Amino acid sequence: DIQMTQSPSSVSASVGDRVTITCRASQDISSWLAWYQQKPGKAPKLLIYATSSLQSGVPSRFSGSGSGTDFTLTISSLQPEDFATYYCQQAHSFPLTFGGGTKVEIK
Amino acid sequence: QVQVVESGGGVVQPGGSLRLSCAASGFTFSNYGIHWVRQAPGKGLEWVAVISDDGSFKHYADSVKGRFTISRDNSKNTVSLQMNSLRADDTAVYYCAKASGKNFDYWGQGTLVTVSS
Repeated sequence: DIQMTQSPSSVSASVGDRVTITCRASQDISSWLAWYQQKPGKAPKLLIYATSSLQSGVPSRFSGSGSGTDFTLTISSLQPEDFATYYCQQAHSFPLTFGGGTKVEIK
Repeated sequence: QVQVVESGGGVVQPGGSLRLSCAASGFTFSNYGIHWVRQAPGKGLEWVAVISDDGSFKHYADSVKGRFTISRDNSKNTVSLQMNSLRADDTAVYYCAKASGKNFDYWGQGTLVTVSS
């Protein structure tokens, strides 16, 4: 199975800050990487697929990059509605696996 | 608009069974695979199972293989997850999600399964 490791597990930031979350795969997954946002008590929401493609309706302050085993989600200017937990997910092969999550908290 | 709605959760004793349902609308159901993803209380996301658009391909996480069965009825736009031999570590919110390749682009609100005596 492909293991996904996210860092940091939590980050404290202020509105307007640039936030970067990293995700590492245990083997080469090419560009088969997605990012999800989850708010408390809600279902996850797809933000980015195929490493850098923005899902319809997702603000352009979200961006993704990387390839192979190392990937990054960047929020260019954190907004109040962005405080949530973010998960990466490999879409390379079954079983599909997620990272452990990164909680973005208010500083 | 796309909607996915889960039902069937509840409290069940260890070793018991439960059947979850997922009803979908707002898209051509028979053209898309459907996944189940679960989340234990306070924990991260765990992929559980997938069924292809026509039901010919099914795949399961090792943690549920042999105990859970996924099926679909394209005439009713529904997917089911039959869960047998339930254990305490199956306690979770179970989400149904529409497949976009091997990603999940629309999710339901989830249904809580609690395995406890």
